[in-house]
Amino acid sequence: QVQLQESGPGLVKPSQTLSVTCTVSRGSINSGSYYWSWIRQTAGKGLEWIGRIYTSGSTIYNPSLKSRVTISIDTAKKQFSLRLTSVTAADTAVYYCARMTMVRGIFDYWGQGTLVTVSS
Amino acid sequence: QSVLSQPPSASETPGQRVTISCSGSNSNIGSNTVTWYQQLPGTAPKLLIHSNNQRPSGVPDRFSGSKSGTSASLAISGLQSEDEADYYCAAWDDSVNGPVFGGGTKLTVL
Repeated sequence: QVQLQESGPGLVKPSQTLSVTCTVSRGSINSGSYYWSWIRQTAGKGLEWIGRIYTSGSTIYNPSLKSRVTISIDTAKKQFSLRLTSVTAADTAVYYCARMTMVRGIFDYWGQGTLVTVSS
Repeated sequence: QSVLSQPPSASETPGQRVTISCSGSNSNIGSNTVTWYQQLPGTAPKLLIHSNNQRPSGVPDRFSGSKSGTSASLAISGLQSEDEADYYCAAWDDSVNGPVFGGGTKLTVL
């Protein structure tokens, strides 16, 4: 059973860059049938899909965040990462990593989530 | 403001049946399947129903899903106290090229 674990800074200052990493265990990050995704949950907007990456490194981002988001993958370390630039208080959220099926975009495994607060 | 619309809350007594609705548009529910997630307090969402009405292994058959046009529903029968959670619908959106979510429904078991 695949396990995912997020790690992040907890607190980021406004206008700076948020960076969060997800480590995949008990499963292969190289599986050809899945994408690896980031999702965030805020009190005001609920759940929001941020983007996804394939093992090849190809990415797709939510158009609402595309200008500020970069997702990368390190298959040797079994990790994928999220960078979100120019953050504001509106980016305060619990950030989840998840495995997404290629067909229908179903999130079948989730990490426990990491709270990132944007504040000076 | 979420792309899919859900009632913010629902409640019912133990043993009864409750339904939660989810409304979308032609670019999401109207042309793609619906997924439901259950989020227990303090935990990450968990896959509950996929492909409109399919339950992953381990999900009780008290949970069922349906879809018609641009709307979907989650039904929970024989309500139990442990069903008290937030429930989210989701669907692929062709204009986003990714999944979109409902705002969630907080279910209270009275």
